[in-house]
Amino acid sequence: QSVLTQPPSVSGAPGQRVTISCTGGSSNIGADYDAHWYQQFPGTAPKLLIYANTNRPSGVPDRFSGSKSGTSASLAITGLQAEDEADYYCQSYDSSLSGWVFGGGTKVTVL
Amino acid sequence: EVELVESGGGLVKPGGSLRLSCAASGFTFSAYTMDWVRQAPGKGLEWVSSISHSSSYKYYADSVKGRFTISRDDAKNSLYLQMNSLRAEDTAVYYCTGSVAARPNWGKGTTVTVSS
Repeated sequence: QSVLTQPPSVSGAPGQRVTISCTGGSSNIGADYDAHWYQQFPGTAPKLLIYANTNRPSGVPDRFSGSKSGTSASLAITGLQAEDEADYYCQSYDSSLSGWVFGGGTKVTVL
Repeated sequence: EVELVESGGGLVKPGGSLRLSCAASGFTFSAYTMDWVRQAPGKGLEWVSSISHSSSYKYYADSVKGRFTISRDDAKNSLYLQMNSLRAEDTAVYYCTGSVAARPNWGKGTTVTVSS
């Protein structure tokens, strides 16, 4: 059971918009700690997509965007492409654990 | 550019020990908290341990408390994870991570396999 809750899977047709939610609590996202998002392909390390809630590292397409409100964060992918099919994880800091917490991961399928 | 390179993974028998290392470059290593995160085969990401700058604070996940020890050598820009009493469930890819200016950075990972 992950501290941050993500849907196990989301899907969409090419060109569509999908969103992935990440729900935490009062000791992590709700305590105003940043949320980060990662994309991971099988056999590779997680790649940073969004950091500090809304910021994109250089090289990440602007089709990816992040937001945060209350105890939740969200990742949106607009103009879905076949190459976006991967696992996505959210991350935040938790003050009660004094460490990082992660969502269980969401598998994005492009129909 | 921040770079983190892990090493030291391998195959070890249950009850054995292993020491992971992480070589850091591209930032002032001594100023930042550093962490280890792992991912078991087919599973999600799990935070393992964190160490503050100057080693003032060390934190561990309950799953490794009492068996793993995190440390750092700021003169060598290196982070370590001493893993003792290893169990099959410790089998995972171990990642060295650190946040610089609110941006997380990850290495490519080193694989630890605990099996007889």
